[in-house]
Amino acid sequence: GDSVTQMEGPVTLSEEAFLTINCTYTATGYPSLFWYVQYPGEGLQLLLKATKADDKGSNKGFEATYRKETTSFHLEKGSVQVSDSAVYFCALSLPPNAGGTSYGKLTFGQGTILTVHP
Amino acid sequence: KAGVTQTPRYLIKTRGQQVTLSCSPISGHRSVSWYQQTPGQGLQFLFEYFSETQRNKGNFPGRFSGRQFSNSRSEMNVSTLELGDSALYLCASSQGVIGGSPLHFGNGTRLTVT
Repeated sequence: GDSVTQMEGPVTLSEEAFLTINCTYTATGYPSLFWYVQYPGEGLQLLLKATKADDKGSNKGFEATYRKETTSFHLEKGSVQVSDSAVYFCALSLPPNAGGTSYGKLTFGQGTILTVHP
Repeated sequence: KAGVTQTPRYLIKTRGQQVTLSCSPISGHRSVSWYQQTPGQGLQFLFEYFSETQRNKGNFPGRFSGRQFSNSRSEMNVSTLELGDSALYLCASSQGVIGGSPLHFGNGTRLTVT
């Protein structure tokens, strides 16, 4: 079945350090890929997305490139801030299919806790 | 534009009871999805509704049900609550017409079953 695997956490960094969170996926078909972020006590916020191979999603200094050849969508940021401390989720969705099993469904990785210290 | 609104934010119920959670999607969004988030299982898809019809369903027992109204608002119901149903329940909305439309999540309802 479809799945998303994220690097094990937690990840602890100092402010202004470089961030990479690895994400790889397995999917039948051509998925769209997403990164979501969850702050304490809140729901998930869309951070960025990419819908086809070689697309680069970017937002708030975060970037991720859809790599079909390596089935990866690694999240990167050049200089993290304390305010980036949160849980990050990689996810995929599949295009509509005849069985209707893709509607509204995101398949998530297990999440990576990021803590940034001053 | 207002975001996805979920009510209530917190609920405490006793095993065996039932509970109803409510979700108001972003204006103009016709698709509403529900997810269960637990520390052990992570984020799991429950079901999706579009124009009052359930289009997709995850692998949950029949105790979990939902519905969508003509104004796209949605409710989910859990009957005969079990301790393992304690979780954060997240609702998400999207335009739902095109595959790959991002989901926009609410802040969730935290359900505790005692």
